[in-house]
Amino acid sequence: ETGVTQTPRHLVMGMTNKKSLKCEQHLGHNAMYWYKQSAKKPLELMFVYSLEERVENNSVPSRFSPECPNSSHLFLHLHTLQPEDSALYLCASSQATGAGYTFGSGTRLTVV
Amino acid sequence: AQSVTQPDIHITVSEGASLELRCNYSYGATPYLFWYVQSPGQGLQLLLKYFSGDTLVQGIKGFEAEFKRSQSSFNLRKPSVHWSDAAEYFCAVAERGGGNKLTFGTGTQLKVEL
Repeated sequence: ETGVTQTPRHLVMGMTNKKSLKCEQHLGHNAMYWYKQSAKKPLELMFVYSLEERVENNSVPSRFSPECPNSSHLFLHLHTLQPEDSALYLCASSQATGAGYTFGSGTRLTVV
Repeated sequence: AQSVTQPDIHITVSEGASLELRCNYSYGATPYLFWYVQSPGQGLQLLLKYFSGDTLVQGIKGFEAEFKRSQSSFNLRKPSVHWSDAAEYFCAVAERGGGNKLTFGTGTQLKVEL
């Protein structure tokens, strides 16, 4: 399998649930990212991991918790979310500076 | 502040017509420039990118983009649009030497009339 794979594709969760989103890249990249895409808003960068270390956290609420156990895998742990957190969550990976990202297909999250 | 502007939220063209999607950026120095396309329910696919050199960049699916330093623009073009090109298009920039952070425009939704 090649590219960036995200699972699950769709997720519905209650506000008191705990769930995790998974991202896996098979491109040999050394940086991975979580983006949030809401309707009528620009893509929001949430987290950046470079060489498995978090290098950026754009003031994301603590109910979102990322984990990067190795350069190929990235998780986003979710707990006590709010309805406004419903969105498409996109994972991306990249190699050298300026190379551009390769995106996964995203996880469509609905919080009820 | 650094920003990326896509002034057209929606564009409708007829199949076979030419297309130009606008993108302007505001950065201290010329950044790296990208165009991505997103089909419904999908992630973003890279169409083309500009780092340096020839200011006219060829991409996939018959798209091209021209970097104009004097106008701080990187407009996307296609000579003849196909119905399958209907999607949302995002311009993105990355600061040179600023790591891999991409800043995206708000996107342009393209509709193609048959």
